[in-house]
Amino acid sequence: QVYMVESGGGVVQPGRSLRLSCAVSGLVYGLHWVRQAPGKGLEWIAHISYDGSRKYYADSVQGRFTISRDNSKNTLDLQMNSLRAEDTAVYYCASDPGFDNNGFYSGYFDFWGQGTPVTVSS
Amino acid sequence: IVLTQPPLASPVTLGQRASISCRSSQSLVHSSGSTTLSWVQQRPGQPPRLLIYHISERLSGVPDRFSGSGAGTDFTLEISSVEAEDAGVYYCMQATQFPITFGQGTRLDIK
Repeated sequence: QVYMVESGGGVVQPGRSLRLSCAVSGLVYGLHWVRQAPGKGLEWIAHISYDGSRKYYADSVQGRFTISRDNSKNTLDLQMNSLRAEDTAVYYCASDPGFDNNGFYSGYFDFWGQGTPVTVSS
Repeated sequence: IVLTQPPLASPVTLGQRASISCRSSQSLVHSSGSTTLSWVQQRPGQPPRLLIYHISERLSGVPDRFSGSGAGTDFTLEISSVEAEDAGVYYCMQATQFPITFGQGTRLDIK
């Protein structure tokens, strides 16, 4: 069983920065951030591979957000710069198990955190 | 890749079967050979929770009333006998290529 706990959310003015963290217990491989705007659906925004060598971003956050991880501390971070009103959402961290023993990619999020809310408003 | 779901499932009563569809704009076969179509449940006020992965594999601990099927670009989540706790929004998701995408979500109401 893996437990994931996000922190760092809050209210921030447009144009400012915020850093989210996710504490992870247990062995995980791929890590992701997914957000959900109020009353809306789920939006994947960033992925980082186990060793941190590969990172992918949604177009909506590319160039403004940076994902990172520290496996020695079992933490995942999301540095959010130049925040906009449309970044207002609950932010979830999630894990994927990577590739199985047969070489098949998992492509699913087996564990999720409880989420941390971010409000961008003046 | 765009995943299309109906916004609302047909209302069901307790014990009835529910079915939710998901259509993909292209094949979801990953270069490794797996099909990365999964189903995620979100109950009101709760975080998302994985139910089904690789089209039809049920995550450990998920009740066997949940099943997934499909191939190509058309997929279905079925709940054989709906219970009150199944009310919520269901999302299909693909991770075959980046950006990872979710369907818009289908809300299941229980009469």
